Amino acid sequence: DTAVSQTPKYLVTQMGNDKSIKCEQNLGHDTMYWYKQDSKKFLKIMFSYNNKELIINETVPNRFSPKSPDKAHLNLHINSLELGDSAVYFCASSQGWDRVADTQYFGPGTRLTVL
Amino acid sequence: AQTVTQSQPEMSVQEAETVTLSCTYDTSESDYYLFWYKQPPSRQMILVIRQEAYKQQNATENRFSVNFQKAAKSFSLKISDSQLGDAAMYFCAYYRHKLSFGAGTTVTVRA
Repeated sequence: DTAVSQTPKYLVTQMGNDKSIKCEQNLGHDTMYWYKQDSKKFLKIMFSYNNKELIINETVPNRFSPKSPDKAHLNLHINSLELGDSAVYFCASSQGWDRVADTQYFGPGTRLTVL
Repeated sequence: AQTVTQSQPEMSVQEAETVTLSCTYDTSESDYYLFWYKQPPSRQMILVIRQEAYKQQNATENRFSVNFQKAAKSFSLKISDSQLGDAAMYFCAYYRHKLSFGAGTTVTVRA
């Protein structure tokens, strides 16, 4: 059983298109995250949701919109894709966010390529 | 904002030998957690080890151990008896409500 899954694993699209990446966790966790890993492998948090409520929103263009239909799912929708959006996007989950102890478990990543 | 610094972009180790990866961080908090994650070529992020800042005892997980120096804000990872499967990028991360990652250290293991 995959704990944190993402679809698709690879996404190639043209500039200006709109695309979504889906994430699901079956760990029963309350908190989910989106991270971006750029071409230099630098990882940075984008968003975090706790029980479907947005709790972290880093400085991310508003073309990026996370949506959490329930606490097991956190999708990332990107409008008007740009070349600079090319990266690997990771979803992660943890039991909670207000308890410092929680370990985050990562999905396999989605490699997005914008042409 | 918390910053995490990994000063070694690359490290190479002979199989069965030991390698130590350095990590320093900046924080004004006293209660936080530190992690090492491994990212092999498959790109999956795998938790290697974690350390609670309030614990003085260094964490160990099989061949992986840390040297946590809270006053110096240093958190190094030691990989003992290195194996070919240890080859990966290793990220140090600071956690207090959110994870802040270092730039990573690429470890190659020579057979």
